Amino acid sequence: DAGITQSPRYKITETGRQVTLMCHQTWSHSYMFWYRQDLGHGLRLIYYSAAADITDKGEVPDGYVVSRSKTENFPLTLESATRSQTSVYFCASSESGRREAFFGQGTRLTVV
Amino acid sequence: ELKVEQNPLFLSMQEGKNYTIYCNYSTTSDRLYWYRQDPGKSLESLFVLLSNGAVKQEGRLMASLDTKARLSTLHITAAVHDLSATYFCAGGNTDKLIFGTGTRLQVFP
Repeated sequence: DAGITQSPRYKITETGRQVTLMCHQTWSHSYMFWYRQDLGHGLRLIYYSAAADITDKGEVPDGYVVSRSKTENFPLTLESATRSQTSVYFCASSESGRREAFFGQGTRLTVV
Repeated sequence: ELKVEQNPLFLSMQEGKNYTIYCNYSTTSDRLYWYRQDPGKSLESLFVLLSNGAVKQEGRLMASLDTKARLSTLHITAAVHDLSATYFCAGGNTDKLIFGTGTRLQVFP
């Protein structure tokens, strides 16, 4: 399917476990972003990428790791999940720095 | 570091009324976006504003950008229930896209 897809849509994990959220886009967009959405905080940027093999920290990067070996994929890994990382995670992609970003459907992650 | 603030955070409007949501940003932003989010859903792009004085309109929504004042507004004309959603503005600085906290809009009869 064309567009941007996230998997899984829902995930429950235990504190201390490693978990990876997947993001795949079919547009060959250069830019990709990871956000977390929490009540009262809006969307906060975790990491972003301007191209394959180029990633940079956003507003709240601690506890997260990203990679981008292929243009179409931008996985987000929580190395050792904590309860404070319970959130809804959104991936987005953009054709260029001056075009709007298109969002995936989100992954609801619960850390117990 | 770019900071984006919206107000109000919550807005309850009667159908048929007009209102404005404000988006202030702290440092230079060379682009400004507005998004809509329905409950439990993803974000949908509404407007992209790329230059000072830019104004865009779609139906009952109109967005404008004043880069000198570091201010964007989203004006709602004659609100209808279907406009009930959360509205986000986002500013662009270098390669980053930074969002405000959102304005939850409820339109009642």
